[in-house]
Amino acid sequence: AQKVTQAQTEISVVEKEDVTLDCVYETRDTTYYLFWYKQPPSGELVFLIRRNSFDEQNEISGRYSWNFQKSTSSFNFTITASQVVDSAVYFCALTPNDYKLSFGAGTTVTVRA
Amino acid sequence: SQTIHQWPATLVQPVGSPLSLECTVEGTSNPNLYWYRQAAGRGLQLLFYSVGIGQISSEVPQNLSASRPQDRQFILSSKKLLLSDSGFYLCAWSATSTNYGYTFGSGTRLTVV
Repeated sequence: AQKVTQAQTEISVVEKEDVTLDCVYETRDTTYYLFWYKQPPSGELVFLIRRNSFDEQNEISGRYSWNFQKSTSSFNFTITASQVVDSAVYFCALTPNDYKLSFGAGTTVTVRA
Repeated sequence: SQTIHQWPATLVQPVGSPLSLECTVEGTSNPNLYWYRQAAGRGLQLLFYSVGIGQISSEVPQNLSASRPQDRQFILSSKKLLLSDSGFYLCAWSATSTNYGYTFGSGTRLTVV
């Protein structure tokens, strides 16, 4: 069985601060895929990034960056120089490439102007 | 390109009334289809998934049911709504292999009064 833990329930920052969201996962599969989704106040889930278990290269995309460490089963997400538009709930998710995606409980990020 | 449509966007229903939420996918064939529920302030709970016409798997026993009458149509139903059925319902699709994650619909906010 898969399990995704997002220990941070809520994070509140002032605009331009960096925000790091933690994600720890559990799986017995050797091949699996990790995801981050963003849910703005409108409700729709927006795909941010996908990473497979064989690719530990960290990635930067604009103000977003991801740190995948297989040794600690973590897939953390950082927003650099946060903006008010970054306010949302962020979900980490995992699939061993079967039918189902397991989501963490989500972290609510509030960026204050 | 693939698109997913979900309706209605909002719904207010009295306790004991029936429910029918519809989801359709365009631009792909034989998708895996999913219904998730998100209670206020909580994470995503998988309710049903389907890997083909007429094939429904239930993750959580409840008074809801799902049907897939056509390849790209997924319906969530209830004969008698409960107050606890209130929440945000999200439909999603994925390719046969979920290693590319899910694409979500815009969601239906259901309030049972």
